[in-house]
Amino acid sequence: EAQVTQNPRYLITVTGKKLTVTCSQNMNHEYMSWYRQDPGLGLRQIYYSMNVEVTDKGDVPEGYKVSRKEKRNFPLILESPSPNQTSLYFCASSAPGTGLAFFGQGTRLTVV
Amino acid sequence: DAKTTQPTSMDCAEGRAANLPCNHSTISGNEYVYWYRQIHSQGPQYIIHGLKNNETNEMASLIITEDRKSSTLILPHATLRDTAVYYCIVRVDGGKLIFGQGTELSVKP
Repeated sequence: EAQVTQNPRYLITVTGKKLTVTCSQNMNHEYMSWYRQDPGLGLRQIYYSMNVEVTDKGDVPEGYKVSRKEKRNFPLILESPSPNQTSLYFCASSAPGTGLAFFGQGTRLTVV
Repeated sequence: DAKTTQPTSMDCAEGRAANLPCNHSTISGNEYVYWYRQIHSQGPQYIIHGLKNNETNEMASLIITEDRKSSTLILPHATLRDTAVYYCIVRVDGGKLIFGQGTELSVKP
């Protein structure tokens, strides 16, 4: 079954404590991305990757890092989380140039 | 800029067809229309897409006007599980989806 798997689903952490949200896809897609969703602001892209070792900033990259060492994995790293990064995060993958994306189930992050 | 306009909310009776409109008057000739839905904070789920012709799959039908300035997503027999936010998307920047605010569909018994 085609799927994008994110972990963890829920996370509460303290300001400044580094964390990583993992994302894995089983469809051999080149394109992967991270979105955050906030009330009234909708879904906004944080970072994306067009292939292994190729990553770039999306619309709201500040405070985040990513890496793409393997095609299937695209972790999101918060080196020093702050309360304004409290949000619902989604990882997605798609074939390049298409709008047919598969999304993970989401990670609800709370930074206190 | 999402380039789409959708009603904020709609109601539909269970078992009836749900018709969700979307205006995309500035769509370019090679831009597809995609529909996604998001059920209660789950990940958005792809429903259907089209370029010019009407499309149908196991989930829904997509009707695109001849001038391509608007489209309608049709759920032929809505169920309570179809209650969700429905997004019409016409901007795909590389692989990035440009989401608007969507239509909150409530299917009522």
